[in-house]
Amino acid sequence: GDSVTQMEGPVTLSEEAFLTINCTYTATGYPSLFWYVQYPGEGLQLLLKATKADDKGSNKGFEATYRKETTSFHLEKGSVQVSDSAVYFCALTAPRGSGYSTLTFGKGTMLLVSP
Amino acid sequence: DAMVIQNPRYQVTQFGKPVTLSCSQTLNHNVMYWYQQKSSQAPKLLFHYYDKDFNNEADTPDNFQSRRPNTSFCFLDIRSPGLGDAAMYLCATSRDLESWDTQYFGPGTRLTVL
Repeated sequence: GDSVTQMEGPVTLSEEAFLTINCTYTATGYPSLFWYVQYPGEGLQLLLKATKADDKGSNKGFEATYRKETTSFHLEKGSVQVSDSAVYFCALTAPRGSGYSTLTFGKGTMLLVSP
Repeated sequence: DAMVIQNPRYQVTQFGKPVTLSCSQTLNHNVMYWYQQKSSQAPKLLFHYYDKDFNNEADTPDNFQSRRPNTSFCFLDIRSPGLGDAAMYLCATSRDLESWDTQYFGPGTRLTVL
């Protein structure tokens, strides 16, 4: 079945450091890939997405490129802020045999940014 | 702003006492989902509605039911909550069920079972 593997956290960084959170996936067909962010006590917010190979999603300084050859969708940001502290979920949707798609999440990576 | 709204944000119930969680959307999306998220875990899909068509995940306990009286509203009913049902419950919507359709989440309802 479909699966998403993320690096385990917490990832602890100082403000203005470079961030990479690794994400790899296994899926049949051609999945769409997403990064969601969850702040403490809140629901999930879509951070960025990519729907086909070599697409780059970007938002709020975060970027991720859909790499089909390495089945990866790593999240990067050049300079993190304290306000980026949250849990980040990598996810995919891929068509099921039943004809519809549902989200498969990774386990989440907690990011802690200190001043 | 178009959005997904969940009420209440926090719900406390007693063991075995039925509880209903509410979700509404102003996005006019066809699909509404309910997820359960336990502490430090990824969200787990319970079921979804495509319009009025209900789709239950195979491992969703019978204790969990859902209703969608119209496009805008969807309810999660827990008939006899157990201690293991304490979790954050997330509602989400998407325009359709294609793989490229984005799911938009509400802020969640945190359920405590005493």
